[in-house]
Amino acid sequence: AQKVTQAQTEISVVEKEDVTLDCVYETRDTTYYLFWYKQPPSGELVFLIRRNSFDEQNEISGRYSWNFQKSTSSFNFTITASQVVDSAVYFCALSEVGSNSGYALNFGKGTSLLVTP
Amino acid sequence: NAGVTQTPKFRILKIGQSMTLQCAQDMNHNYMYWYRQDPGMGLKLIYYSVGAGITDKGEVPNGYNVSRSTTEDFPLRLELAAPSQTSVYFCASSYSPRYGETGANVLTFGAGSRLTVL
Repeated sequence: AQKVTQAQTEISVVEKEDVTLDCVYETRDTTYYLFWYKQPPSGELVFLIRRNSFDEQNEISGRYSWNFQKSTSSFNFTITASQVVDSAVYFCALSEVGSNSGYALNFGKGTSLLVTP
Repeated sequence: NAGVTQTPKFRILKIGQSMTLQCAQDMNHNYMYWYRQDPGMGLKLIYYSVGAGITDKGEVPNGYNVSRSTTEDFPLRLELAAPSQTSVYFCASSYSPRYGETGANVLTFGAGSRLTVL
């Protein structure tokens, strides 16, 4: 079963629009970690954020913000005033402390974001 | 500080050939991972290692083998390549939780190796 669901396959916005990427996860662990990674067209994977299951505070980093809600098992990512350089595939990932897999990340299928001028 | 280095970046194989994808990290990380990325499918875990001499299967291990003789190196071996193994392969590493921490530290990824099997 898919543990991380990113229902939006592709999103297209015009520059300066705000955009939210959805992530819903599934776990029975009480201790787990959630991540977002960015994969620009060049192909590398760039770490954006890590959040543990005990910290539901929202986080803001410049134009990026994350909303973690355990009640709905969601960890959504918002880009404010999007820019062309934000065009990339964004992955949400889950690591379960009890999974006995060396804390490997379980990735969603990704959301491809295209920002046009 | 090179981070995680993967070689080769690109390779074309014929069906039935074998090859090894190399992965090396210089961050003294205990944990290392191999993932494959297929279009629209996210990344799937092939194998992982929690330290030298210790490896274990991930979600999609069939057709692959790994070894971990040193902390730095984690090669992925493809035996009898098949078209289904056409993919982009990523190696990653992370440090193990320190005393008092609970897991899941940030994974640092290599640049990827694009493999085509014809």
